Amino acid sequence: DAKTTQPPSMDCAEGRAANLPCNHSTISGNEYVYWYRQIHSQGPQYIIHGLKNNETNEMASLIITEDRKSSTLILPHATLRDTAVYYCIAVGDDKIIFGKGTRLHILP
Amino acid sequence: DGGITQSPKYLFRKEGQNVTLSCEQNLNHDAMYWYRQDPGQGLRLIYYSQIVNDFQKGDIAEGYSVSREKKESFPLTVTSAQKNPTAFYLCASSMDTTLPQHFGDGTRLSIL
Repeated sequence: DAKTTQPPSMDCAEGRAANLPCNHSTISGNEYVYWYRQIHSQGPQYIIHGLKNNETNEMASLIITEDRKSSTLILPHATLRDTAVYYCIAVGDDKIIFGKGTRLHILP
Repeated sequence: DGGITQSPKYLFRKEGQNVTLSCEQNLNHDAMYWYRQDPGQGLRLIYYSQIVNDFQKGDIAEGYSVSREKKESFPLTVTSAQKNPTAFYLCASSMDTTLPQHFGDGTRLSIL
């Protein structure tokens, strides 16, 4: 699976959009980009995934660049409950590998 | 409701003892996984199973053992050979190895 790179931490004001970047410059053509988040002392929660096109669901939007070397997870109106570690993962035919993720702090 | 149940939530073990962590799912998923998480770190794969009676080692299988006798159950045994077992253990399941994984709420294991 391709390695992904994320900033270790980010801050976002409550009510604003949180934009979490992820670099995956070695991603291959059949690898999807998945995002999960983990709230303290709980299991990770699936958020969204995509291959080439931008995706949106009730939780977030995923923007993938045309060359697929990077993506951005957007939480449109961040709340305090969005404080968590967010993982960006490239998934192909092999097992899912979680890195250290980005710790998102939502500021009141 | 469908989901994954891990028990117990907290577990204490004396040095030299084996201990078994339970994971049950009622999602009818074929694949099940065990991960270990240390403070401030990501998840590392211990073992995974794609079908009943079959399982494969992950990245850090040494000192651990598993069984998959039923589709719903994937227990993990932390043996005395695991020298640093204190960690947060997460079980997950999915329809196959490429679909979103559903996670349990974890078991926190500590050594007395």
